[in-house]
Amino acid sequence: KQEVTQIPAALSVPEGENLVLNCSFTDSAIYNLQWFRQDPGKGLTSLLLIQSSQREQTSGRLNASLDKSSGRSTLYIAASQPGDSATYLCAVDNDMRFGAGTRLTVKP
Amino acid sequence: ETGVTQSPTHLIKTRGQQVTLRCSSQSGHNTVSWYQQALGQGPQFIFQYYREEENGRGNFPPRFSGLQFPNYSSELNVNALELDDSALYLCASSLAGGTANEKLFFGSGTQLSVL
Repeated sequence: KQEVTQIPAALSVPEGENLVLNCSFTDSAIYNLQWFRQDPGKGLTSLLLIQSSQREQTSGRLNASLDKSSGRSTLYIAASQPGDSATYLCAVDNDMRFGAGTRLTVKP
Repeated sequence: ETGVTQSPTHLIKTRGQQVTLRCSSQSGHNTVSWYQQALGQGPQFIFQYYREEENGRGNFPPRFSGLQFPNYSSELNVNALELDDSALYLCASSLAGGTANEKLFFGSGTQLSVL
């Protein structure tokens, strides 16, 4: 059974810092991995999708990497802004096994 | 805005009652997935519907059931509500049976409280 873990559970950084969020999964036989953003009480917004054959995807200030052999993905956020404050979740495959998320706070 | 709409946004029920939640998928999408998200947790997969047929199910009891209609909108029905069913229920739509490389587009959810 696939288990997805996200560390840290919460992170607080000053505005402008670069930061890395981590996602690990136990079964490396995955089709894809997605990173999502969730604002309080809201639905999820897909940020990046990495197919199993890819190593990374980039969108603006976001870069996600995937290392299937080690069961890890990272989400790199450059030059963080207060508007980036949200919970970030990773999910594996199409039944979408989610981690519990990392709650990010970016202080002005 | 994702184009996925859910109704109602909030709902209060009592233990033992039944509830129906609704989801309209994004235009052109034929697949709807439902998730339960407890406070402080990641979403848990309930089931997926593709072209009106159930196309995968998570670890939820049979009192959680669903439907998908010819216009690809969907319902989630929960019978005999329990206190632990209190959660945010999310639906997500996608194309082509949620095959490996499709992004999911989520609605804003229905917050269900069971008293």
